[in-house]
Amino acid sequence: QQPVQSPQAVILREGEDAVINCSSSKALYSVHWYRQKHGEAPVFLMILLKGGEQMRHEKISASFNEKKQQSSLYLTASQLSYSGTYFCGTGVYNAGNNRKLIWGLGTSLAVNP
Amino acid sequence: DAGVIQSPRHEVTEMGQEVTLRCKPISGHDYLFWYRQTMMRGLELLIYFNNNVPIDDSGMPEDRFSAKMPNASFSTLKIQPSEPRDSAVYFCASSPAGDRKTQYFGPGTRLLVL
Repeated sequence: QQPVQSPQAVILREGEDAVINCSSSKALYSVHWYRQKHGEAPVFLMILLKGGEQMRHEKISASFNEKKQQSSLYLTASQLSYSGTYFCGTGVYNAGNNRKLIWGLGTSLAVNP
Repeated sequence: DAGVIQSPRHEVTEMGQEVTLRCKPISGHDYLFWYRQTMMRGLELLIYFNNNVPIDDSGMPEDRFSAKMPNASFSTLKIQPSEPRDSAVYFCASSPAGDRKTQYFGPGTRLLVL
């Protein structure tokens, strides 16, 4: 039931691009993306809703393919501040319990100078 | 807004002792979530409340864990007795009503059970 994130880890040089994927075996109505820096709390980046548009946060954008039950996070022209672990939280259809998010294990991103 | 407040930030205790974690959600938020984070299992939802009422506690590991929300501005997560395998970071998050369901996380409590 836990969504699968890929890759598990990625190392970039400043300015390079990366794509992080989140794939679920369940039908989704929403995907939430968060970033967590070491020793800190997860911080909300963006939410993608079924039937919604591609979202953007600074130079980070995301898409949601409802049919494939997948979401992708696109980091373009990466900055040092992008380093951290990225988590997807998925909203799964479950009558009467639609506040619960199921989280992936995260993708560790390191951006080096 | 002060954000979600958790206390203590760090807790070291011995096996068998009672541990109480505290959370103050963002004012006006209707939902409160308790999570446990470990390297092996990631973020696990333990329980969540809506307007102080527990909605889903299926993630609570066992009877040693209990959570309460006596009012809209305070919640506790209690572990009694604690065991070394309970060592983890425990996060509290709150969320406003509405469709977006964004969750705002507190700084977490790092628990180490010796």
